[in-house]
Amino acid sequence: AQSVTQLGSHVSVSEGALVLLRCNYSSSVPPYLFWYVQYPNQGLQLLLKYTSAATLVKGINGFEAEFKKSETSFHLTKPSAHMSDAAEYFCAVRAPAGKSTFGDGTTLTVKP
Amino acid sequence: ETGVTQTPRHLVMGMTNKKSLKCEQHLGHNAMYWYKQSAKKPLELMFVYSLEERVENNSVPSRFSPECPNSSHLFLHLHTLQPEDSALYLCASSQETQGSTEAFFGQGTRLTVV
Repeated sequence: AQSVTQLGSHVSVSEGALVLLRCNYSSSVPPYLFWYVQYPNQGLQLLLKYTSAATLVKGINGFEAEFKKSETSFHLTKPSAHMSDAAEYFCAVRAPAGKSTFGDGTTLTVKP
Repeated sequence: ETGVTQTPRHLVMGMTNKKSLKCEQHLGHNAMYWYKQSAKKPLELMFVYSLEERVENNSVPSRFSPECPNSSHLFLHLHTLQPEDSALYLCASSQETQGSTEAFFGQGTRLTVV
Protein backbone atom coordinates (compact mmCIF):
# COMPACT_ATOMS: atom_id res chain seq x y z
CA ALA A 1 0.00 0.00 0.00
CA GLN A 2 1.13 3.53 -0.58
CA SER A 3 0.01 6.97 0.47
CA VAL A 4 1.13 10.57 0.26
CA THR A 5 0.54 13.44 2.65
CA GLN A 6 0.95 17.07 1.74
CA LEU A 7 1.39 19.16 4.85
CA GLY A 8 -0.51 22.41 4.56
CA SER A 9 -3.39 22.83 2.15
CA HIS A 10 -2.52 26.52 1.73
CA VAL A 11 0.88 28.19 1.69
CA SER A 12 1.38 31.91 1.27
CA VAL A 13 4.72 33.56 0.52
CA SER A 14 5.89 36.98 -0.58
CA GLU A 15 7.32 37.49 -4.03
CA GLY A 16 11.04 36.75 -3.90
CA ALA A 17 10.78 34.56 -0.80
CA LEU A 18 11.63 30.89 -0.52
CA VAL A 19 8.91 28.43 -1.51
CA LEU A 20 8.71 25.19 0.48
CA LEU A 21 5.90 22.72 -0.14
CA ARG A 22 5.99 19.59 1.96
CA CYS A 23 5.29 16.04 0.88
CA ASN A 24 5.69 12.86 2.90
CA TYR A 25 5.03 9.44 1.45
CA SER A 26 4.51 5.89 2.57
CA SER A 27 5.41 2.96 0.37
CA SER A 28 6.31 -0.66 0.99
CA VAL A 29 8.79 -0.61 -1.90
CA PRO A 30 11.14 2.08 -3.21
CA PRO A 31 8.78 4.45 -4.99
CA TYR A 32 8.79 6.86 -7.85
CA LEU A 33 7.77 10.37 -6.77
CA PHE A 34 6.31 13.23 -8.76
CA TRP A 35 5.34 16.87 -8.34
CA TYR A 36 2.66 18.34 -10.57
CA VAL A 37 1.36 21.89 -10.86
CA GLN A 38 -2.16 22.93 -11.79
CA TYR A 39 -3.01 26.46 -12.86
CA PRO A 40 -6.65 27.62 -12.67
CA ASN A 41 -8.93 25.85 -15.14
CA GLN A 42 -6.06 23.74 -16.45
CA GLY A 43 -4.93 20.15 -16.17
CA LEU A 44 -1.96 19.00 -14.14
CA GLN A 45 1.53 19.49 -15.56
CA LEU A 46 4.65 17.63 -14.45
CA LEU A 47 7.19 19.77 -12.57
CA LEU A 48 9.71 17.05 -11.78
CA LYS A 49 10.06 13.40 -10.87
CA TYR A 50 12.32 11.14 -8.82
CA THR A 51 13.19 7.79 -10.36
CA SER A 52 15.92 6.48 -8.03
CA ALA A 53 18.80 8.25 -9.74
CA ALA A 54 20.00 11.50 -8.14
CA THR A 55 18.25 12.36 -4.88
CA LEU A 56 18.14 16.07 -5.76
CA VAL A 57 15.89 16.54 -8.72
CA LYS A 58 15.63 19.73 -10.73
CA GLY A 59 12.47 20.57 -12.59
CA ILE A 60 10.93 23.28 -14.67
CA ASN A 61 10.41 26.89 -13.62
CA GLY A 62 13.28 26.80 -11.11
CA PHE A 63 11.74 24.20 -8.83
CA GLU A 64 13.63 21.34 -7.26
CA ALA A 65 12.92 18.56 -4.79
CA GLU A 66 15.08 16.33 -2.65
CA PHE A 67 14.29 12.69 -1.96
CA LYS A 68 15.09 11.82 1.66
CA LYS A 69 14.54 8.16 2.34
CA SER A 70 15.22 8.42 6.07
CA GLU A 71 12.50 11.05 6.40
CA THR A 72 10.22 9.57 3.71
CA SER A 73 9.96 13.05 2.29
CA PHE A 74 10.05 14.70 -1.11
CA HIS A 75 9.65 18.42 -0.40
CA LEU A 76 9.43 20.92 -3.26
CA THR A 77 11.43 24.13 -3.10
CA LYS A 78 12.15 27.23 -5.12
CA PRO A 79 14.60 29.86 -3.91
CA SER A 80 12.62 32.89 -5.03
CA ALA A 81 8.87 32.94 -5.61
CA HIS A 82 7.38 34.66 -8.61
CA MET A 83 3.81 35.82 -9.01
CA SER A 84 3.38 33.29 -11.81
CA ASP A 85 4.06 30.44 -9.35
CA ALA A 86 0.63 30.89 -7.79
CA ALA A 87 -1.14 27.60 -8.45
CA GLU A 88 -2.06 24.29 -6.86
CA TYR A 89 0.70 21.74 -6.41
CA PHE A 90 0.25 17.99 -6.15
CA CYS A 91 2.69 15.38 -4.92
CA ALA A 92 2.23 11.82 -6.20
CA VAL A 93 3.77 8.47 -5.34
CA ARG A 94 3.90 5.34 -7.45
CA ALA A 95 5.29 1.92 -6.69
CA PRO A 96 7.20 0.48 -9.66
CA ALA A 97 4.41 -1.98 -10.46
CA GLY A 98 1.48 0.11 -9.30
CA LYS A 99 -0.67 3.11 -10.02
CA SER A 100 -0.08 6.67 -8.88
CA THR A 101 -1.57 8.03 -5.67
CA PHE A 102 -1.98 11.80 -5.47
CA GLY A 103 -1.87 14.01 -2.43
CA ASP A 104 -4.67 16.41 -1.60
CA GLY A 105 -2.81 19.36 -3.08
CA THR A 106 -1.33 22.58 -1.72
CA THR A 107 -2.49 25.95 -2.96
CA LEU A 108 0.38 28.40 -3.23
CA THR A 109 -0.40 32.11 -3.00
CA VAL A 110 2.29 34.65 -3.85
CA LYS A 111 1.88 38.13 -2.39
CA PRO A 112 3.38 41.15 -4.14
CA GLU B 1 -2.06 19.15 -32.24
CA THR B 2 0.13 17.71 -29.54
CA GLY B 3 -0.47 16.42 -26.02
CA VAL B 4 -3.83 15.50 -24.57
CA THR B 5 -6.93 17.28 -25.83
CA GLN B 6 -10.31 17.22 -24.12
CA THR B 7 -13.62 18.39 -25.52
CA PRO B 8 -15.78 20.12 -24.62
CA ARG B 9 -14.03 22.43 -22.14
CA HIS B 10 -17.32 23.30 -20.46
CA LEU B 11 -20.59 21.37 -20.30
CA VAL B 12 -23.88 22.10 -18.60
CA MET B 13 -26.39 19.29 -18.61
CA GLY B 14 -29.66 18.42 -17.00
CA MET B 15 -30.08 15.33 -14.90
CA THR B 16 -32.01 13.55 -17.65
CA ASN B 17 -29.58 14.36 -20.45
CA LYS B 18 -27.05 12.09 -22.10
CA LYS B 19 -23.71 13.55 -23.09
CA SER B 20 -20.18 12.37 -23.78
CA LEU B 21 -16.75 13.71 -22.93
CA LYS B 22 -13.98 13.12 -25.42
CA CYS B 23 -10.25 12.78 -24.89
CA GLU B 24 -7.58 12.39 -27.55
CA GLN B 25 -3.86 11.92 -27.07
CA HIS B 26 -1.21 12.42 -29.73
CA LEU B 27 1.71 11.08 -27.69
CA GLY B 28 1.68 7.44 -28.70
CA HIS B 29 0.94 6.39 -25.13
CA ASN B 30 -0.51 3.00 -24.19
CA ALA B 31 -2.43 4.02 -21.07
CA MET B 32 -5.29 6.45 -20.59
CA TYR B 33 -7.14 7.59 -17.49
CA TRP B 34 -10.23 9.44 -16.33
CA TYR B 35 -10.01 11.45 -13.10
CA LYS B 36 -12.65 13.45 -11.25
CA GLN B 37 -11.58 16.61 -9.46
CA SER B 38 -14.17 18.12 -7.12
CA ALA B 39 -13.77 21.23 -5.04
CA LYS B 40 -12.13 20.53 -1.68
CA LYS B 41 -11.68 16.81 -2.49
CA PRO B 42 -8.65 14.82 -3.58
CA LEU B 43 -8.15 13.82 -7.16
CA GLU B 44 -10.22 10.66 -7.76
CA LEU B 45 -9.09 8.04 -10.25
CA MET B 46 -12.16 6.73 -12.07
CA PHE B 47 -10.98 4.45 -14.88
CA VAL B 48 -7.73 3.15 -16.32
CA TYR B 49 -7.25 1.73 -19.79
CA SER B 50 -4.17 -0.06 -21.04
CA LEU B 51 -3.98 -0.81 -24.75
CA GLU B 52 -7.73 -0.21 -25.04
CA GLU B 53 -8.54 -2.68 -22.27
CA ARG B 54 -10.07 -1.45 -19.04
CA VAL B 55 -7.76 -2.45 -16.23
CA GLU B 56 -9.28 -0.52 -13.38
CA ASN B 57 -12.72 0.70 -12.39
CA ASN B 58 -12.72 2.34 -9.00
CA SER B 59 -16.31 1.74 -7.86
CA VAL B 60 -17.65 4.40 -10.18
CA PRO B 61 -21.46 4.61 -10.51
CA SER B 62 -22.88 3.07 -13.66
CA ARG B 63 -24.15 6.46 -14.83
CA PHE B 64 -20.54 6.98 -15.95
CA SER B 65 -19.63 4.68 -18.84
CA PRO B 66 -16.13 4.78 -20.36
CA GLU B 67 -15.21 3.73 -23.86
CA CYS B 68 -11.78 3.33 -25.40
CA PRO B 69 -12.11 2.51 -29.12
CA ASN B 70 -8.36 2.75 -29.74
CA SER B 71 -5.23 3.75 -27.87
CA SER B 72 -5.57 7.40 -28.88
CA HIS B 73 -9.18 8.05 -27.91
CA LEU B 74 -11.11 7.82 -24.68
CA PHE B 75 -14.71 8.74 -24.03
CA LEU B 76 -16.79 9.13 -20.91
CA HIS B 77 -20.49 8.68 -21.56
CA LEU B 78 -22.76 10.38 -19.06
CA HIS B 79 -26.44 9.75 -18.34
CA THR B 80 -28.87 10.57 -15.55
CA LEU B 81 -26.23 12.41 -13.57
CA GLN B 82 -26.70 13.99 -10.16
CA PRO B 83 -25.77 17.52 -9.06
CA GLU B 84 -22.93 16.08 -6.96
CA ASP B 85 -21.35 14.85 -10.19
CA SER B 86 -20.51 18.45 -11.05
CA ALA B 87 -16.72 18.62 -11.19
CA LEU B 88 -13.69 19.01 -13.40
CA TYR B 89 -13.12 15.78 -15.34
CA LEU B 90 -9.53 15.24 -16.33
CA CYS B 91 -8.21 12.84 -18.90
CA ALA B 92 -4.58 11.74 -18.77
CA SER B 93 -2.27 9.43 -20.63
CA SER B 94 1.08 7.80 -19.90
CA GLN B 95 3.46 5.53 -21.74
CA GLU B 96 2.53 2.61 -19.50
CA THR B 97 0.33 2.06 -16.44
CA GLN B 98 3.39 1.17 -14.37
CA GLY B 99 6.92 2.36 -13.86
CA SER B 100 8.40 5.81 -13.73
CA THR B 101 6.47 7.32 -16.60
CA GLU B 102 4.56 10.42 -15.70
CA ALA B 103 1.01 11.28 -16.66
CA PHE B 104 0.17 13.93 -19.22
CA PHE B 105 -3.12 15.65 -18.48
CA GLY B 106 -5.64 17.38 -20.66
CA GLN B 107 -7.10 20.73 -19.66
CA GLY B 108 -10.26 19.10 -18.37
CA THR B 109 -13.98 19.40 -18.94
CA ARG B 110 -15.81 21.53 -16.40
CA LEU B 111 -19.13 19.74 -15.94
CA THR B 112 -22.13 21.32 -14.27
CA VAL B 113 -25.23 19.22 -13.64
CA VAL B 114 -28.39 21.21 -13.13
